Amino acid sequence: GENVEQHPSTLSVQEGDSAVIKCTYSDSASNYFPWYKQELGKGPQLIIDIRSNVGEKKDQRIAVTLNKTAKHFSLHITETQPEDSAVYFCAAGNSGYALNFGKGTSLLVTP
Amino acid sequence: EAGVAQSPRYKIIEKRQSVAFWCNPISGHATLYWYQQILGQGPKLLIQFQNNGVVDDSQLPKDRFSAERLKGVDSTLKIQPAKLEDSAVYLCASRPGVAGAGYNEQFFGPGTRLTVL
Repeated sequence: GENVEQHPSTLSVQEGDSAVIKCTYSDSASNYFPWYKQELGKGPQLIIDIRSNVGEKKDQRIAVTLNKTAKHFSLHITETQPEDSAVYFCAAGNSGYALNFGKGTSLLVTP
Repeated sequence: EAGVAQSPRYKIIEKRQSVAFWCNPISGHATLYWYQQILGQGPKLLIQFQNNGVVDDSQLPKDRFSAERLKGVDSTLKIQPAKLEDSAVYLCASRPGVAGAGYNEQFFGPGTRLTVL
């Protein structure tokens, strides 16, 4: 089955700096790669996603890149703000079947 | 648009007791998922429904866990008897499309935090 590895497990940055979280996956059949943000006591919320026919996608301060050959994808957050502090999960899936999640990255943005 | 609803939000039980969780997906969503999230880990699929049929229950511990989605809308997940290692957050998610086609975003509910003593 699919195995998703996520690094780092914790990340601390100063407000205004950039944050990068990296994930690798094992199943070449995976074609959908979402990123979720989870705040304490809440369910995961989708922040950005990318499909296998696209190499990069950007939405304001958030961008995701995908390298299908190397089977890795990354989340980039620029100009970080304290409200970006949360746990971020990457996931990999195939056409509506269940997502396989990484173990999460706890991001702390300090003022 | 209302989100995915789950209840209860918290539950504390003793081992060997039984417990049930309820999920109401977003209206019109065909696909419903139950995930288990152990503290410090990512969600792990327990079961996936498409309408009222099971698509994938390969990771559901069927000796103690059961789930149903009788009318293709609400769903119930049950654990009987519970073990200490079942302590986790149980997340329900839904998706408008069916497996194998279409847009893939899954919308998650707030989860039910289960503590087994």
